[in-house]
This record gives sequence, structure tokens and C-alpha cells, in this order.
Amino acid sequence: DQQVKQNSPSLSVQEGRISILNCDYTNSMFDYFLWYKKYPAEGPTFLISISSIKDKNEDGRFTVFLNKSAKHLSLHIVPSQPGDSAVYFCAAFRTSGTYKYIFGTGTRLKVLA
Amino acid sequence: EAQVTQNPRYLITVTGKKLTVTCSQNMNHEYMSWYRQDPGLGLRQIYYSMNVEVTDKGDVPEGYKVSRKEKRNFPLILESPSPNQTSLYFCASSNRGGKNTEAFFGQGTRLTVV
Repeated sequence: DQQVKQNSPSLSVQEGRISILNCDYTNSMFDYFLWYKKYPAEGPTFLISISSIKDKNEDGRFTVFLNKSAKHLSLHIVPSQPGDSAVYFCAAFRTSGTYKYIFGTGTRLKVLA
Repeated sequence: EAQVTQNPRYLITVTGKKLTVTCSQNMNHEYMSWYRQDPGLGLRQIYYSMNVEVTDKGDVPEGYKVSRKEKRNFPLILESPSPNQTSLYFCASSNRGGKNTEAFFGQGTRLTVV
């Protein structure tokens, strides 16, 4: 049972345009959602997070939106840059109970120069 | 510098030969976990630990063991590796709860079992 899903395995965007990466989840008990970026031959690195009590969090070119009623979150990158080309994972976890971090399957973003 | 260190980075071994992948963090984090990354499957959690001497199974624990005798170390043990354990492995650590929930990852261990 995949509790966190990224239905688009890949995405190509022109440099300077907006990149939108999507993530759906099934468990309404998650407290935090996070996005990680992963370059080849490196471990994932934290990008941005959002608490379940918020609907938007912004950090520079990166904005995460949370729609709790739809159990959907998205990451917007504006403007996209070639250095943003990487695999992006969304993740979710609960701060109570078993406290398991659950990752999606990832979306490979390619920003074309 | 805050970091999670895994060793080795690359390992080729034969079926059945016990091996250990080490993981160490210097951030005094309570929570540590192991993941494997496989094409099309993303990051799947193998085991996690919420504190010293407290470990629990993740989503794909079969064929793996872990221990957490000290807060900083969380080794992954493959008692009898098999070819289906060929994968890219990541160790991660984080604080529990609150704002500082981001996980820090090691650089990965690419394991090949022949």
C-alpha cells in the first residue's frame, strides 16, 4: 500500500519556466510533508517542508502547497534553472505513533537550457 | 560539519557472505533509519530506530538486521546476502517531531551481490 504517491516519473521544463511536481497521500494523520532533491551519486537533501496545519510555505524559488481535503501537495519551482535537474522525492511522517518517514517514488525533473 | 557517514560507498560481495554497512551521525539525532533505492520504487524504509536500543521494522525488513547500541551509530547487517539485495542503500538521521524534522542522508552505499 503506497501511502505517498508521485504519479509522474519524469518532467521536462524549459529554463525560466515554472516546474510543478505533484504528490498525493492517503493517510490523513501525517503531520509534516517534505520535499527532497537528489542528484546522482549523492544522498537526498532536504529542500522544503510544510506542516499539516498550513497550506503554503515559500523559500526563495521554491513553494510547497498543501491541499488537505484533496490529500495533495505540490512543489513549485519558479523560475526553473538547469541546476534544478534532479530527482525530487516527497515525504510524509507523523510525530506520534510509529513515527515512520514515508517517501514517494520520485519524479525526475529535467530543466532544458 | 553536520553529517551522516556511511561506509563503504561501494561493495561487491558473494551470496551468503555476511556483511555490515556502517552509519554514523554527529548531530545527536534520536531518529535513524535505513532505506534502499531501486528503480521505479523510490526510497523504501528497511528499519528505523527512535532511540538507543529501540528499533522497528520498516516496509522491507526481510533479510536485514540492525542494532542501535549508541545514539550515533546504526549499522545495517546482511547475515546472508542474496542477489535481490543488490541496491543503493541510504542511512538517514533526524530529530523527532517539531519544526526540525528534516532528515539528513548519507552519501549512499551501492551494494552488488553476485
